[in-house]
Amino acid sequence: DAGVIQSPRHEVTEMGQEVTLRCKPISGHNSLFWYRQTMMRGLELLIYFNNNVPIDDSGMPEDRFSAKMPNASFSTLKIQPSEPRDSAVYFCASSPGGGSALHFGNGTRLTVT
Amino acid sequence: QQQVKQSPQSLIVQKGGISIINCAYENTAFDYFPWYQQFPGKGPALLIAIRPDVSEKKEGRFTISFNKSAKQFSLHIMDSQPGDSATYFCAATHTGRRALTFGSGTRLQVQP
Repeated sequence: DAGVIQSPRHEVTEMGQEVTLRCKPISGHNSLFWYRQTMMRGLELLIYFNNNVPIDDSGMPEDRFSAKMPNASFSTLKIQPSEPRDSAVYFCASSPGGGSALHFGNGTRLTVT
Repeated sequence: QQQVKQSPQSLIVQKGGISIINCAYENTAFDYFPWYQQFPGKGPALLIAIRPDVSEKKEGRFTISFNKSAKQFSLHIMDSQPGDSATYFCAATHTGRRALTFGSGTRLQVQP
C-alpha cells in the first residue's frame, strides 16, 4: 500500500499564476479530503468528496479555488490566480468510509511570491 | 458549533514523564474523537481514537480520557520518549459527515 500520493511536494510560483495540486488516494477509499495547514489557522478543511462527488466545499476560500475528482483514483486542487496569502501546506487525505480514520499524504508546500 | 479547542499550544516534558493534552468541543452531535500525530514534513497520522460510549481507551503508552458531560477529551502519553516529540492534533466529527474538524495543535518536546 503506497498510501496517499501528492504531487508536487514543493511548488514555488509567482502571484497571479495558476497552481494545480494533485492527489492519488488509497485504492478502495471512497472519501477524499483536501485540507490546508498554516501556522495561523491550523488544519482547515477545504472540500471533501464522497464517491467522486463533492459533498462539502464550504471551506473553499473563494472562487479562485476549485477542486475536481474525475475518477476514484485522482483529484486536483487548482488555484487561479494565486496570491501570496495562499502560501501554505496543502494536504490530501482519503478514508474508506464514514467514521473511519483519514489517511493523509505528505502534503504540497506552496509558496506564492 | 464545529470548533474544537485544544490546549496547551506547546508542551515540554522530561523523558519518562507524562504528557497531557486537552480538547473541548461544543457540538453534541460529535461521536468520533481521534488524535493525530504529525512529524515535520509529514502528514498527520492517526494515533488513537475513541467514541463516546466509553470513557477511556488505552493503546500502549497512549490513553484517551473522555468526559461526555463536560464535552472534553484528553490524550495522555505515559513514559514520554524523545521520539514522541511531534505536533498532536485532536479532532472530532459525527456520523454521516466523515470530514474531521481539527484542534489547533500542540507541539510536544520530550527532553532526554
